[in-house]
Amino acid sequence: AQSVTQLDSHVSVSEGTPVLLRCNYSSSYSPSLFWYVQHPNKGLQLLLKYTSAATLVKGINGFEAEFKKSETSFHLTKPSAHMSDAAEYFCVVIRFSGGYNKLIFGAGTRLAVHP
Amino acid sequence: DAGVIQSPRHEVTEMGQEVTLRCKPISGHDYLFWYRQTMMRGLELLIYFNNNVPIDDSGMPEDRFSAKMPNASFSTLKIQPSEPRDSAVYFCASSLTGGTGNEQFFGPGTRLTVL
Repeated sequence: AQSVTQLDSHVSVSEGTPVLLRCNYSSSYSPSLFWYVQHPNKGLQLLLKYTSAATLVKGINGFEAEFKKSETSFHLTKPSAHMSDAAEYFCVVIRFSGGYNKLIFGAGTRLAVHP
Repeated sequence: DAGVIQSPRHEVTEMGQEVTLRCKPISGHDYLFWYRQTMMRGLELLIYFNNNVPIDDSGMPEDRFSAKMPNASFSTLKIQPSEPRDSAVYFCASSLTGGTGNEQFFGPGTRLTVL
C-alpha cells in the first residue's frame, strides 16, 4: 500500500538560509504526491503536487519539490527561508482504495525559522 | 468564494455531552471529507461523502460518531456521548472531483476539548 515517511519531525533554519524537508514514499505504481502546509491554528493549504508530469514541481511561496524515482523521494526545498514559512508541512501520497483516491498523510515536519 | 467554513472554531464540553460540528463546503464541490488530527495519530480520514452520500465511513472510530450531509452545502459530525479521548482538531475538506491529483480544500478546523 502507498505510504510516506517524513524523515524529520522538526527542522530549524535561520531566515535567509535554504530549507530542505525530506519525504520518502512507498508505492507499487507511479504515485501522486503532494505537499501541504499548516500554519498555526489554520487549515491545511496545498503547496504543490506531482502527478507524473514534470519531475521538478514548483509551488506557491517559492517552494519546489523534485520527484526522484530512483531514490523514492519527494523532498521539499526553498532557496531562502522567510519567517512566515514557520509552519508544519505534510507530505501526502494518494492511495486508491474503495473506489476513491484517498490522501495518506505523513507525520509532519515542523519548520522553525529563526531571525 | 469564502472557502470551506467550519463552526464552531473552538468547543469545550464535558464528558457525556453531545457535540455537533458543522461544515459548509465550497460551492460546486462534489466531495466532502471529515478528518481528525491528534498528536498521537496525526491526520486521519473519518468519513467522506460524494454528492451528499456517505461513501466510506471506515475511519469513524466507533458508534458514538455519526456524520450527515442533508444537502450539498452542509454537513455535520456528531459525537454522542463525547469522551476525553475525542479531544482533537476536526477538519472538514472539500474537492471538486475525486480524481488523482485533485486538490482538497481544508477548513480552519474545530478544536474540541472534552473535559
